[in-house]
Amino acid sequence: ETGVTQTPRHLVMGMTNKKSLKCEQHLGHNAMYWYKQSAKKPLELMFVYNFKEQTENNSVPSRFSPECPNSSHLFLHLHTLQPEDSALYLCASSPRRTSDPHEQYFGPGTRLTVT
Amino acid sequence: AQKVTQAQTEISVVEKEDVTLDCVYETRDTTYYLFWYKQPPSGELVFLIRRNSFDEQNEISGRYSWNFQKSTSSFNFTITASQVVDSAVYFCALSNFGNEKLTFGTGTRLTIIP
Repeated sequence: ETGVTQTPRHLVMGMTNKKSLKCEQHLGHNAMYWYKQSAKKPLELMFVYNFKEQTENNSVPSRFSPECPNSSHLFLHLHTLQPEDSALYLCASSPRRTSDPHEQYFGPGTRLTVT
Repeated sequence: AQKVTQAQTEISVVEKEDVTLDCVYETRDTTYYLFWYKQPPSGELVFLIRRNSFDEQNEISGRYSWNFQKSTSSFNFTITASQVVDSAVYFCALSNFGNEKLTFGTGTRLTIIP
């Protein structure tokens, strides 16, 4: 596997379900990100992890819970979601070698539908 | 506060025509970085270019070129001799020095008609 992979690619869940999204990067990067992409809205940054430490939580509701066990893996745990949470969830990684913002490399996303 | 505006929501051109995608940004920082990404139907954002605020030289990469003008706070992207494979949503993004947060525009959907 190369680049950034995400599983599952599609997920349908009810509002009372608990599910997890998985992201894995094979690029040796130090930073990982979760974004939410809704129709007709800019990509919204949700969480940032640098060297496994969470450095950004962009006022995300607690029904979204991230986990970063190591620099290569990132999870997004979902519970009691709302229909408005239906969106494409994108994972990304970047080198973060210096304080300069680096380009981020994105996975293909998980299309989430909450019913 | 940072903001990126892509006023063109959708553009359609006939194959082999040139097309320019506009990007206007707002930031109070003097050191910042600008990016363009391409999102094909598969969904994965593909990095195209990163440019810092001190480098106003235009860049050309094959059929792609970028025009950075600090005076107008614009970072426009031109595709020359467009091809059907260029059909995608294109995003412009901004990040400040020392900050890994990317502020994205709303994107421009480009359709190349064969």
